[in-house]
Amino acid sequence: KAGVTQTPRYLIKTRGQQVTLSCSPISGHRSVSWYQQTPGQGLQFLFEYFSETQRNKGNFPGRFSGRQFSNSRSEMNVSTLELGDSALYLCASSLGAGGSYNEQFFGPGTRLTVL
Amino acid sequence: GESVGLHLPTLSVQEGDNSIINCAYSNSASDYFIWYKQESGKGPQFIIDIRSNMDKRQGQRVTVLLNKTVKHLSLQIAATQPGDSAVYFCAEKMEYSGAGSYQLTFGKGTKLSVIP
Repeated sequence: KAGVTQTPRYLIKTRGQQVTLSCSPISGHRSVSWYQQTPGQGLQFLFEYFSETQRNKGNFPGRFSGRQFSNSRSEMNVSTLELGDSALYLCASSLGAGGSYNEQFFGPGTRLTVL
Repeated sequence: GESVGLHLPTLSVQEGDNSIINCAYSNSASDYFIWYKQESGKGPQFIIDIRSNMDKRQGQRVTVLLNKTVKHLSLQIAATQPGDSAVYFCAEKMEYSGAGSYQLTFGKGTKLSVIP
């Protein structure tokens, strides 16, 4: 069974640009959660999508948005990039919603560098 | 692999010894506490969790202890092996009534290095 895949794995952008990251969950999983990981702040929860609806949201500005498609694949978008957005962006999938962390599987992440 | 943290506390233990990793949490209303393991270049992996109404929970080679009085959580790894080398971090989850909403907050992590 294929794991969670994220594309691209590495990305370099400049301030002011926008970026879209993609996450394909494990087959059959309907929930996708996004996280940001930085050396300074550690791991922070961005949002969770389930059945194409945003179910939960962390404390991030509106520049961070996401969506989920009918096949459960999810995209995350960051507009007007800032230097502080440089981070490892992780997505995780699970069967159910509500942060089922004990059955949640993470992808390898997308490393975003903002110059 | 990628580094997940440049300024993490580090714990070095000899192979075969027991490891104890500590975490202080902030919200006394949290419902669950969770430990994750993150190896270099990989995403986090769930290890074990504990409900807020419990003091101790054991898994395979791991034990989590919860001290609500001082808001402290610890992860004990028995007979530490080289494959246990990773960053370990805790998380606290507070569930809100209705609609499955919740708040999930993560600690910064501790890097465990196992000396063969």
